[in-house]
Amino acid sequence: ILNVEQSPQSLHVQEGDSTNFTCSFPSSNFYALHWYRWETAKSPEALFVMTLNGDEKKKGRISATLNTKEGYSYLYIKGSQPEDSATYLCAFGGGTSYGKLTFGQGTILTVHP
Amino acid sequence: DVKVTQSSRYLVKRTGEKVFLECVQDMDHENMFWYRQDPGLGLRLIYFSYDVKMKEKGDIPEGYSVSREKKERFSLILESASTNQTSMYLCASSLEEYSNQPQHFGDGTRLSIL
Repeated sequence: ILNVEQSPQSLHVQEGDSTNFTCSFPSSNFYALHWYRWETAKSPEALFVMTLNGDEKKKGRISATLNTKEGYSYLYIKGSQPEDSATYLCAFGGGTSYGKLTFGQGTILTVHP
Repeated sequence: DVKVTQSSRYLVKRTGEKVFLECVQDMDHENMFWYRQDPGLGLRLIYFSYDVKMKEKGDIPEGYSVSREKKERFSLILESASTNQTSMYLCASSLEEYSNQPQHFGDGTRLSIL
């Protein structure tokens, strides 16, 4: 079983704060790294899929970076809002996995008004 | 938009029962997946299918089986339900068999085994 680790496990911030979390994954046999947002009572929603070392993706106030050589990705949220409160999941896809992903345990973000 | 529909949001069953969880996707996706989510453990893959009638075990297949008779439908079967199978179950689909395709999830089934 592949090891995909996310830190921190949970995070409490104030509205307006910027924050970031980390995903570490195997640096061998890399094919793709995914980020998902999972809000309470909803289904997980894909934020980004990154495939190239050095990739940076942005969606509104959320951005992500990728380092495949050292096996980590950062997710950044600028100016957090209460509606950003969710569990953020990263997932590693290997080169021979037939689309299978290995998920980290998630970072639970709570943004306080 | 892709729609992945799971048959029940909440389900309560008894120990020893055979339980069927159904999942349907409407976008002609090749891949379908079943996960369970437990506190502190993230999403763990139970089974996946990358073609109709092609099924592969995931990381935690024990006590489960699957069926995919049609491309749009992927069923998870608990052969003889046990209390340690109480969990949130999520179904997902993706377009092709490469892991650079985003997965689209259903709303989940919260299953309680008494």
